[in-house]
Amino acid sequence: AAGVIQSPRHLIKEKRETATLKCYPIPRHDTVYWYQQGPGQDPQFLISFYEKMQSDKGSIPDRFSAQQFSDYHSELNMSSLELGDSALYFCASSLGSGGLAKNIQYFGAGTRLSVL
Amino acid sequence: AQKITQTQPGMFVQEKEAVTLDCTYDTSDQSYGLFWYKQPSSGEMIFLIYQGSYDEQNATEGRYSLNFQKARKSANLVISASQLGDSAMYFCAMREAFVGTYKYIFGTGTRLKVLA
Repeated sequence: AAGVIQSPRHLIKEKRETATLKCYPIPRHDTVYWYQQGPGQDPQFLISFYEKMQSDKGSIPDRFSAQQFSDYHSELNMSSLELGDSALYFCASSLGSGGLAKNIQYFGAGTRLSVL
Repeated sequence: AQKITQTQPGMFVQEKEAVTLDCTYDTSDQSYGLFWYKQPSSGEMIFLIYQGSYDEQNATEGRYSLNFQKARKSANLVISASQLGDSAMYFCAMREAFVGTYKYIFGTGTRLKVLA
C-alpha cells in the first residue's frame, strides 16, 4: 500500500538559509499534518491542512509557512534557519475531517534537517 | 489542558516475554482517541493501535493490545511474545474530538530494548 512520501530525507543547511520540505500524502487522504521532533524529544505539532485549507495551528514559528496544493501535497517552507531548527520533520496524512477522535494519522519517514 | 504521561523512559524485556508500556492521559473531553506509535532507530513513526474513548472492548492488533482503563485514564500498551525487532521508542498519543482540533499530543516516549 502507498505510504506518505517525504522529500528530501536529509537536508543540510547553513544558518539564515531557507529550506523547503515536501510531503505527498496517501492517495485519497484529505488532511496533512506537520510535526517537529527535536533530538530526544516527542513530536510537536506544527500545522495541519484539511482540503487545502489550514485547519489547525500549533507552535509553528513565524519564520515557517506551509500550504497544501490542489493535488493535496504539502510543502513546509522554513526561512532564516536557526541552529535550533535542527530536527526530524514529519508529515502525516489521514482521511476524514476534524471532530472525529478516530482519525489515524499515518506518518512519513521524516526529513532530517541539520542546520550548521 | 490535555496531557499524555509516559513514566518509563526505558525498559528491558527478555525475548518471547510480554511487556507493558504505561500511558496515562488527562483530558476534560468525553470523546477522544488514544494511539500508540513505534519509532525504530531509523526514525519513522509506525502506527500500532487505536482505542476510542467510547469503545467498550480493549483494542487488539496482532501481538499488540491496549489495556484501557477509562476511570484511571490509562491506556497501557501490551506487547506479547516480544521479538528483537520490537526494540524501539514507543509513543502514546491522544487526540480530542473537538471540531477544528486535528493535532496529536504525544507523551515523552518509552525506549524498549528486547534482550536475546
